[in-house]
Amino acid sequence: AQKVTQAQTEISVVEKEDVTLDCVYETRDTTYYLFWYKQPPSGELVFLIRRNSFDEQNEISGRYSWNFQKSTSSFNFTITASQVVDSAVYFCALSELTGTASKLTFGTGTRLQVTL
Amino acid sequence: EPEVTQTPSHQVTQMGQEVILRCVPISNHLYFYWYRQILGQKVEFLVSFYNNEISEKSEIFDDQFSVERPDGSNFTLKIRSTKLEDSAMYFCASRSAGANSPLHFGNGTRLTVT
Repeated sequence: AQKVTQAQTEISVVEKEDVTLDCVYETRDTTYYLFWYKQPPSGELVFLIRRNSFDEQNEISGRYSWNFQKSTSSFNFTITASQVVDSAVYFCALSELTGTASKLTFGTGTRLQVTL
Repeated sequence: EPEVTQTPSHQVTQMGQEVILRCVPISNHLYFYWYRQILGQKVEFLVSFYNNEISEKSEIFDDQFSVERPDGSNFTLKIRSTKLEDSAMYFCASRSAGANSPLHFGNGTRLTVT
């Protein structure tokens, strides 16, 4: 069975600090995809990144970076120089490929609070 | 940028009533989904829909739930007889062909059953 664990329930940082959100996953599939979504206080789910299981290159997008390590089944997300607007719940998700569709298994989310 | 739209944003209904949640997926997408998020909890898969039929459904998606694509643009979730525990945020999502295409979510419909 697929499982995504986000052990950090809530993190609080002061603006401009760097913060890393952890994600550990379990799957029996050899091909899978990992995602991060952001859920701001307004409630919508905003896609941030996807990574396939064959691509372990780290990725940087502005202040965001992701570290995928297959050996430890982790896909961690770092925000550099955090800002108040980064305050949100962040979900890590794993895509299971079944038949013609794929579905996401979400972690329980990490609530990030960035204060001045 | 095209987006998934959901209506209404908030629906209040009495226990036992039927509700229909509406979604307009992104126009060239082929796969459609409903997810649910009970307040403060994680997002859970309900059902996937492709080629005018259900591809997969979770154990949450029992006989009280149904989905339909009544025309070329809308995708609906019906709950026949709502229960208190159906209160949640319901997200519609769609994606294009290709296994690695990401799901694009709508803004959600908050359903409150009283």
